[in-house]
Formats: sequence, C-alpha cells, structure tokens
Amino acid sequence: DTEVTQTPKHLVMGMTNKKSLKCEQHMGHRAMYWYKQKAKKPPELMFVYSYEKLSINESVPSRFSPECPNSSLLNLHLHALQPEDSALYLCASSQGRINTQYFGPGTRLTVL
Amino acid sequence: QKEVEQNSGPLSVPEGAIASLNCTYSDRGSQSFFWYRQYSGKSPELIMFIYSNGDKEDGRFTAQLNKASQYVSLLIRDSQPSDSATYLCAVALTDSWGKLQFGAGTQVVVTP
Repeated sequence: DTEVTQTPKHLVMGMTNKKSLKCEQHMGHRAMYWYKQKAKKPPELMFVYSYEKLSINESVPSRFSPECPNSSLLNLHLHALQPEDSALYLCASSQGRINTQYFGPGTRLTVL
Repeated sequence: QKEVEQNSGPLSVPEGAIASLNCTYSDRGSQSFFWYRQYSGKSPELIMFIYSNGDKEDGRFTAQLNKASQYVSLLIRDSQPSDSATYLCAVALTDSWGKLQFGAGTQVVVTP
C-alpha cells in the first residue's frame, strides 16, 4: 500500500485566517515532505522531515509553519497568507533520503 | 544550481505509437531517477524509478539511464489517450537530504 492521505481536499481562506493542512501515511516511512505547486510548474519543495525532525526548510516564509507530531502525521499551519500563496499543496513520504517519494492527492488552497 | 531539463512539449503522439520523453541533469553524482505522471489538477503519480545504467521495463513503460551522458528517458509503447498527461522527470540530489530536483515536465497528448 503506497497511500498518502491529505485533508482537506479544498480550502478557501482569507488573509487573516489561521488554518491547517494535514497529511498522514501508514507505510512506515521515515521521511515526509511538503511541496507547493503552481499551475503548469513542477512541485517546489518547502520542508523535509526526517525521523520527525525538520531536515530542510527551503527558506519558506514564516506564515507557513510545519509540524510533525509523530512518524505518521505531518501538518502545515497557515497564518496570514497572501493571494499568491494560492496553489496545490502536496505532501509526500519516502522510506529514506534517496528512496521513492509517494505523493498524496494534495490540498487545493485558495487565499482571498 | 543543479538543473533538470525536459522539453516542455506538447508532444503529440498518435494512438498506438511510441512516445519518447527525454531528460538531462547536471548533478553528476546523482544516483536515483524518477518519472512521475501528473494529470491536470491531480498530484504526481510514480511511473518508474531507475538507479542503474541501462533499461528498466514495466508494462508499456521503459526507463533508460545513461549516467555518463547524464541522460534519462522514458518510452511509452502503444500510447493510449489515457496516457495524455504531464510527465515529470525527477533527480535525487546528492548534496541535499531527500531533495528531488524536478524538470519542468513534458506534456504528452495522445491523439486517437
């Protein structure tokens, strides 16, 4: 089973709202990722967690705050976003650092 | 800046023909290479991964890797309209834990 789940599927929020995106995997993978994807562009890495610790932050603005409560869960907390943050947010997981990354279905975020 | 280059397309392929997608990469030390298929509005789905020089076949898909030339390709045999999608080439970077460098993607259109 190579399933990564994400909730919600769609999210509309105002610039003053606080919301969270959730990601879950039950494959025993030790690495989890957040990506942002704009239309007709490839996924752009935001954060990498390895063994529940933040390994990579690709200079993401502080209005995006990741959290890894345990090895199966990954959250992305959103606060004071801008309209240009509207995008498809993808979660992925992998067994290890160079292993295959499996993507979840994504959350389509619209910031008004 | 490590780069992964793909022709953006669209690559128009008659139904039943072979689609040939190419990808070059600049990180000479890279060891892991991936092809993802992405339908419009959906998340990337793993098609193939390849680690060793040569060919790797899975059903109608064949991945080819030539590390000396820093070149990886994907062949889709007996192309079907359901193969119409964007194909992303991804390379695991050697100097960045867990980071995949994506190409811009090649759009494939299979015409009946």
